[in-house]
Amino acid sequence: NAGVMQNPRHLVRRRGQEARLRCSPMKGHSHVYWYRQLPEEGLKFMVYLQKENIIDESGMPKERFSAEFPKEGPSILRIQQVVRGDSAAYFCASSPRTHGSSTDEQYFGPGTRLTVT
Amino acid sequence: GQNIDQPTEMTATEGAIVQINCTYQTSGFNGLFWYQQHAGEAPTFLSYNVLDGLEEKGRFSSFLSRSKGYSYLLLKELQMKDSASYLCAGSWAGNNRKLIWGLGTSLAVNP
Repeated sequence: NAGVMQNPRHLVRRRGQEARLRCSPMKGHSHVYWYRQLPEEGLKFMVYLQKENIIDESGMPKERFSAEFPKEGPSILRIQQVVRGDSAAYFCASSPRTHGSSTDEQYFGPGTRLTVT
Repeated sequence: GQNIDQPTEMTATEGAIVQINCTYQTSGFNGLFWYQQHAGEAPTFLSYNVLDGLEEKGRFSSFLSRSKGYSYLLLKELQMKDSASYLCAGSWAGNNRKLIWGLGTSLAVNP
């Protein structure tokens, strides 16, 4: 059973370009979470999605950032008009749908390291 | 609020025991996770506590006191490879499945 997959692992963009980060959850997992982590800092929650639904986007910047988890295909985190401050590691995690459980362990992907030049 | 607090850094010696503490707000609390993250890598799951008490998994144990809003991760027989950041994360009612994460405790194991 493959784990959470993220691509690309490393992404370099010039200021003003768009960055598109992909996440394929573990098989059977229907919940996806995106996090941002700056060097020497903790994980910052960005958004929580289920298939075709954004459940909680309270950690997403109001502008330039968007996320989707379509019925088919991976979840996408899109950053438009990137700036140097967007340089960070972006982690995706997934969890299963477990009946009767309000909280599930999150399994993390290897992350995408975004560098904005 | 639903803040998670843990020390920023700790240092310990190879072969020793270290305890990493984590405190949280008790109102509406569900359960608490511990993750390990090596530099440049993804967090990996260590433990999940819902009930009071100590749960042991090999060299790692995790403790929870729901009434005190307190948890700790206990690492025994420390090895150099245990040098990593240890993240405490909690879940609360009304947050759907979203976890609230601490900033992590960076543990340095010295020879």
